[in-house]
This record gives sequence, structure tokens and C-alpha cells, in this order.
Amino acid sequence: DIVMTQSPDSLAVSLGERATINCKSSQNVLYSSNNKNYLAWYQQKPGQPPKLLIYWASTRESGVPDRFSGSGSGTDFTLTISSLQAEDVAVYYCQQYYTTLAFGQGTKVELK
Amino acid sequence: QVQLVQSGAEVKKPGASVKVSCKASGYIFTSYAIHWLRQAPGQSLEWMGWINAGNGNTKYSQKFQGRVTITRDTSASTAYMELSSLRSEDTAVYYCARGLGIVGSAEYFHHWGQGTLVTVSS
Repeated sequence: DIVMTQSPDSLAVSLGERATINCKSSQNVLYSSNNKNYLAWYQQKPGQPPKLLIYWASTRESGVPDRFSGSGSGTDFTLTISSLQAEDVAVYYCQQYYTTLAFGQGTKVELK
Repeated sequence: QVQLVQSGAEVKKPGASVKVSCKASGYIFTSYAIHWLRQAPGQSLEWMGWINAGNGNTKYSQKFQGRVTITRDTSASTAYMELSSLRSEDTAVYYCARGLGIVGSAEYFHHWGQGTLVTVSS
């Protein structure tokens, strides 16, 4: 099974500053026949289900602010929040859907 | 709009079973897969299995094979997840999520239920 590892486990960022979260998969999640990375990102706030932010590694979900962006390919991926807002305080998860679904352990983003 | 509404919190004793429901609305129930995932307190998400809501075919995570059963009632647009032989480590919030289509593989999730807390305690 593919193991997803996020870094860091937690991150404190000032309002308006950039937040960067990394996600590494133990195996390649790029499907060569369609050149798509089977990688999604979610945001979860306390007491709520996860909210989809990004899929296919870099496609933003409808309604998600453009300060959220995803990048990377193969085994290494990044979620960037370009200018942190107070409402972005949450836990962020990456998920691969190349094989049996698996999630990273989560990265907690807090205000500095 | 797509809605998935789950049943309420449960408290069970070790060794018992629990059955959680997920009522769908806002789309054609039999045209999509329903997945079940869980999240233990302070932990990440764990995929348990899925059901083809059209024909009832299922696939389970190896971790839960033999202990989990996912079913559906098309007349009620409702999917169910039953977990047996409960132990304290099964204490978690259980979520249903709608698939992208009927197939159930290569899925990410736009739509989630609100979650159901299952507490296993003697």
C-alpha cells in the first residue's frame, strides 16, 4: 500500500504570510497513460468533515479561493496558501487515489 | 444540492456491532458509489470500503475485511455501514462520502456526510 507522509506536522504562520505544506508518497501516483497525478488536498476544521480543496494535484475545487494552490508530480507534492487568512486555520490532509485510498497524517496550520 | 445525512451518535460495548446510515438526496442515488471512512480522535482519515449503489457490489479495505458490511436500500436512497466485534480502537467519527461515479476506484470526495461518532466503551 502507498504511504503518504506530510511535513511539517504543524506550522505557525502570520496573517498575510505564505504557508507551505509538503506531501510525499511512497510510490509514484502519476498515471502515465493520462499524465495525471492522483493526489488531492483537503481542509478540515474542528467538528466538520474534510473539505476538498485541490484534486489532480493542482486543480482547484469550485469556490475555493485562489490563494490555495497545489503543485508537484510523481511522489512529491505541495499545498501553498499564498496569504494566510484567519479562516484558513485548520488541519490539511493530502490523499492519494492511485491505488487503495490513503491519507497523510495531517498538518495543523495555526496563527503566529 | 447533494446532501448526505448520517444517523446520530452511538455508544457501544466491546464485542457489539454498530450500524450507521447515510441518507442521500439531491442526485440519483443509484448512479454513484458511496464510500465509508473513519477518523479516530486526533488522527487522520482511514478508508474502509465502498458500495456501488446501483448493483450493490462492494469492496472493503483489507484491514476491515470480515468485520465491515456495507449495504444500501435504493428505495430509501440510503447506504449503511455495519461494523462488528467492536473494540475500543474503533472509537471514531465515521463518514460517508459520495464517489465521482459508480465505479468506486480512483476517488476523491466533493461530498461528505456530517459524520457519526461511535464510542466503544465498557
